[in-house]
Amino acid sequence: GAGVSQSPSNKVTEKGKDVELRCDPISGHTALYWYRQSLGQGLEFLIYFQGNSAPDKSGLPSDRFSAERTGGSVSTLTIQRTQQEDSAVYLCASSLDPAGGRRFFGPGTRLTVL
Amino acid sequence: AQTVTQSQPEMSVQEAETVTLSCTYDTSESDYYLFWYKQPPSRQMILVIRQEAYKQQNATENRFSVNFQKAAKSFSLKISDSQLGDAAMYFCAYRDNNAGNMLTFGGGTRLMVKP
Repeated sequence: GAGVSQSPSNKVTEKGKDVELRCDPISGHTALYWYRQSLGQGLEFLIYFQGNSAPDKSGLPSDRFSAERTGGSVSTLTIQRTQQEDSAVYLCASSLDPAGGRRFFGPGTRLTVL
Repeated sequence: AQTVTQSQPEMSVQEAETVTLSCTYDTSESDYYLFWYKQPPSRQMILVIRQEAYKQQNATENRFSVNFQKAAKSFSLKISDSQLGDAAMYFCAYRDNNAGNMLTFGGGTRLMVKP
């Protein structure tokens, strides 16, 4: 697979449950981003990983949100005690050249919190 | 804080005709990048075109071109000879070197292409 992949593609959960969303970036890409897209809205930055540096977590909306990137590759976004307002599409992107801004996006995970 | 505004929530164009999508932004920086991304129903975000602010020449990629007006902080996207496959959400985005590699996106414009 040459592109960014995400799983699951769709996730339905009940309010209060925890969810984990996975992102597999393009091999060799050192930068990885998570975004959130609410229905019909633009993308909201969540978190950014670059190599072995400490991640930029400035976009995480609350302490219920966290993310890890293991071995500089796969990343997992975890949402604890989900709320209905967490319902959105969560997009992951990776980049070889973060300075130039060219991101390669995955297809996203649509999260629905009932 | 930088903001990106797309004032057209929806646009419609006849197949084979030309359409222009508007984008304005607010920044105090002089060196930055601007982007147009396409998001078809598959949700995959695709980079359409990129413009460096220090370049006066407007970027062009095949049927896609931009009108970059730095003084007016305007960055419109022109799609020529529109095709049915151009139907999608289009997002304008901004990035500068002080933003920690974070892109700021506009709210998007939904483009419909009529056969």
